[in-house]
Amino acid sequence: AQSVTQLDSHVSVSEGTPVLLRCNYSSSYSPSLFWYVQHPNKGLQLLLKYTSAATLVKGINGFEAEFKKSETSFHLTKPSAHMSDAAEYFCVVSPRGGANNLFFGTGTRLTVIP
Amino acid sequence: DSGVTQTPKHLITATGQRVTLRCSPRSGDLSVYWYQQSLDQGLQFLIQYYNGEERAKGNILERFSAQQFPDLHSELNLSSLELGDSALYFCASSRERQGPYEQYFGPGTRLTVT
Repeated sequence: AQSVTQLDSHVSVSEGTPVLLRCNYSSSYSPSLFWYVQHPNKGLQLLLKYTSAATLVKGINGFEAEFKKSETSFHLTKPSAHMSDAAEYFCVVSPRGGANNLFFGTGTRLTVIP
Repeated sequence: DSGVTQTPKHLITATGQRVTLRCSPRSGDLSVYWYQQSLDQGLQFLIQYYNGEERAKGNILERFSAQQFPDLHSELNLSSLELGDSALYFCASSRERQGPYEQYFGPGTRLTVT
C-alpha cells in the first residue's frame, strides 16, 4: 500500500527565511515521489519529482527535496521564502512499475509573513 | 498554464441531478485522470483512462462514471447527486499509461450541490 504523511498541516515563516515542509512516505514498491503546489483557486502545479536518479532533486522556484530511504522521507526545502510561495503544498507518492495513480498527502498550508 | 482544460469552471446544481464535467488533455497526452478534492476527504484519485480504455480505478462511487473519447477528451458523469458530492474536481493528463510520469493538472471544476 502507498501513502504519504505530511507532518504539518500549517507552516508559517517570515519572508527571506528558510522553508521546510516535511513528508514521510510508505510504499510497497520503490516509489516515485512528487511535490505539487496549489495556489488559491488554482490547479496543481508540479514542483519537482524523484524517480530513482539523484536523491537530491531540484525543482522550480528554488525548491528542492531530498529522498532519504532510511528515513522514508522526502522533505521539501527552500533557502529563502518569498511572498509568492504562500500556497498549499502536497507530497505525492506513486508506485513505480504499476499504474500511475497518485496518492496525495493531506497538504501543508504555507504562510509567508512579510 | 498546464495545457489541460476543464469546463465548466463552476457548476451549481440540486440534489438528485446529473452533471457532466469535461476535460481536454495536453496535446500528445494519452492518459487522463480524474481527482476529487473535498475538505473532508482531501485529494482522491477517482479513475484513469488511457487511449480510450479504463486503466485504473480509485475511490469512485458507482453513481459516477467516466469515458475517454477517440479525440482523447474525457467526461466525468456524476448522477443522483448528493450534498456530499460538492467538491473541486480535477482532471490531469500524462504522456504514458503508467508511471512514473508526472501528471499535469487542469484548473478544476467546482461543483456545488444544493
